[in-house]
Amino acid sequence: EVHLVESGGGLVQPGGSLRLSCAASGFSFSRYWMHWVRQAPGKGLEWVSRMNNDGSTTNYADSVRGRFAISRDNAKSTLYLETNSLRVDDTAVYYCAKSACSGVNCYLDAFDKWGQGTAVTVSS
Amino acid sequence: DIQMTQSPSSLSASVGDRVIITCQASQDIRDCLNWYQQKPGKAPKLLIYDASNLQTGVPSRFSGSGSGTHFTFTISSLQPEDIATYYCQQYDNLPYTFGQGTKMEIK
Repeated sequence: EVHLVESGGGLVQPGGSLRLSCAASGFSFSRYWMHWVRQAPGKGLEWVSRMNNDGSTTNYADSVRGRFAISRDNAKSTLYLETNSLRVDDTAVYYCAKSACSGVNCYLDAFDKWGQGTAVTVSS
Repeated sequence: DIQMTQSPSSLSASVGDRVIITCQASQDIRDCLNWYQQKPGKAPKLLIYDASNLQTGVPSRFSGSGSGTHFTFTISSLQPEDIATYYCQQYDNLPYTFGQGTKMEIK
């Protein structure tokens, strides 16, 4: 069974940083693209970033580009999101999600498994 | 960015009712459209992918249709456990974008 467990969230002051982690199990992590999706309190879903299976391709939402960095360690089956220069409007639950895409390229995508999320609160 | 407009934003229906949610894309997205269910306090769950394909393990009362810019999501007979917020999501172009959600309630 696929299992995704996020960690690393917490309370941070504006301008601060956090490193989010997502430990994966139950599937061949190194084969699949992975995503981060966030949800501000009481709001809808916002796609944040994705990375292909071998880490050679990354994409970001405009709202986080240049501040956030996605990475992965396939040997540890773990996905990361380094969040820097955090702003109040980055406050959200951050979910990691497994993509339906495997391999180097992605044509038909869906977030087919999700973790339980980790909460990030940016406040002074 | 592609804007996804869902309607209605909230929906109250009785057990056994047929309910329909629509999702309109701001440009042609072919069939690159997925539907998710999110129950309160839980992570979203994939129900329908590529506009009309039922994800493994999802009850057959859920279905999706459409292509291009207009899509529909149907629950053929609403059940109490279907209380949730439903989201459409396009993956034709980056950034992937979601509809604003449809909150389903039982009358």
